[in-house]
Amino acid sequence: QKEVEQNSGPLSVPEGAIASLNCTYSDRGSQSFFWYRQYSGKSPELIMFIYSNGDKEDGRFTAQLNKASQYVSLLIRDSQPSDSATYLCAVTGGFKTIFGAGTRLFVKA
Amino acid sequence: ETGVTQSPTHLIKTRGQQVTLRCSSQSGHNTVSWYQQALGQGPQFIFQYYREEENGRGNFPPRFSGLQFPNYSSELNVNALELDDSALYLCASRPSTGAGYGYTFGSGTRLTVV
Repeated sequence: QKEVEQNSGPLSVPEGAIASLNCTYSDRGSQSFFWYRQYSGKSPELIMFIYSNGDKEDGRFTAQLNKASQYVSLLIRDSQPSDSATYLCAVTGGFKTIFGAGTRLFVKA
Repeated sequence: ETGVTQSPTHLIKTRGQQVTLRCSSQSGHNTVSWYQQALGQGPQFIFQYYREEENGRGNFPPRFSGLQFPNYSSELNVNALELDDSALYLCASRPSTGAGYGYTFGSGTRLTVV
């Protein structure tokens, strides 16, 4: 079992729709959870961080965490073509941060 | 505020050679991690340094080693290069080793082993 699992996609949504990205993790001792966005040919950039159960909103982005289910998600409202990228889920526990393989998102204009 | 800078941007090496990749952390960041990213994959954790000591390591063999300097710049050294070492190597820094801090990534070094 991979430590951090994501659907590879691609996930295709029309412009203006809600994109839902999901992630599960195996280590129950994990402490912090991150979402990074990576455009093709670029390095990852941090977009959201969550460490408590529940929802955290930042602009068009909402991160959701359920530690009992070991599940993290990212919702992108009013999706724009510029949101087309690979979204990486990352989980921190101890002295390491483990990334999932990423989900490719395409937003169609 | 400067970001994370890596050098070189591209590198071609022959199998069996050794390589050193360099990283300058973002100002105020005392924790640095190195990741290997193969095409179409997520970043794979190599190791983390905090105040010049390695305090976390992923599933990479000992031929992958590192250093962090007092100014928080760092190096990744890879000995006895193999073809499978061809990848993008990412340096990432953060303000603390605490779990609540996300990384700032450099632009990466693209290593090709032939």
